[in-house]
Amino acid sequence: GIQVEQSPPDLILQEGANSTLRCNFSDSVNNLQWFHQNPWGQLINLFYIPSGTKQNGRLSATTVATERYSLLYISSSQTTDSGVYFCAVPLYSSASKIIFGSGTRLSIRP
Amino acid sequence: DVKVTQSSRYLVKRTGEKVFLECVQDMDHENMFWYRQDPGLGLRLIYFSYDVKMKEKGDIPEGYSVSREKKERFSLILESASTNQTSMYLCANRPAGKETQYFGPGTRLLVL
Repeated sequence: GIQVEQSPPDLILQEGANSTLRCNFSDSVNNLQWFHQNPWGQLINLFYIPSGTKQNGRLSATTVATERYSLLYISSSQTTDSGVYFCAVPLYSSASKIIFGSGTRLSIRP
Repeated sequence: DVKVTQSSRYLVKRTGEKVFLECVQDMDHENMFWYRQDPGLGLRLIYFSYDVKMKEKGDIPEGYSVSREKKERFSLILESASTNQTSMYLCANRPAGKETQYFGPGTRLLVL
């Protein structure tokens, strides 16, 4: 089945810094999602981005489907950005099953 | 605002007990999912349901069963809890034809 790898596994930054999180996937996909899990466990969908670039405030994401990777950019980090960031891709096209990467744990220090 | 609730945030059970985890959504979404989350493994799909009384196995269904008698409620059942089922359990739902999943707050289950 498709493999999803995220890097780095852990990232510690000072408030105000910028960061780039990477998601590599082993096969062609027709959609990709980024999620943020806050320190209390709540998961929120950030982006649905099968290709191209999207921006939402300080966050933006780019997926290059032909090269099988996606990047999540966080600019001017705030402590509330801390948590775990997951990318997820479908197991196969038009499937209800999605496969999550193992996540990047981001810690923003004040 | 969309809302997904789970019956407990924290639960402690004994080995061999039957455990029920409840998930309720107020969004009238067709698809509902149960995942477990373990350190270093991300989220893994246990079961999902695309309609009332319909269910499909995910990647790790062994030791679990599910029930969906009403559209808004999806229950995960541990028939005989074991220590290796200690985990964070997350419920999610998704409307038909859309990609975005909406997650509940999670239940941290400890099996002693």
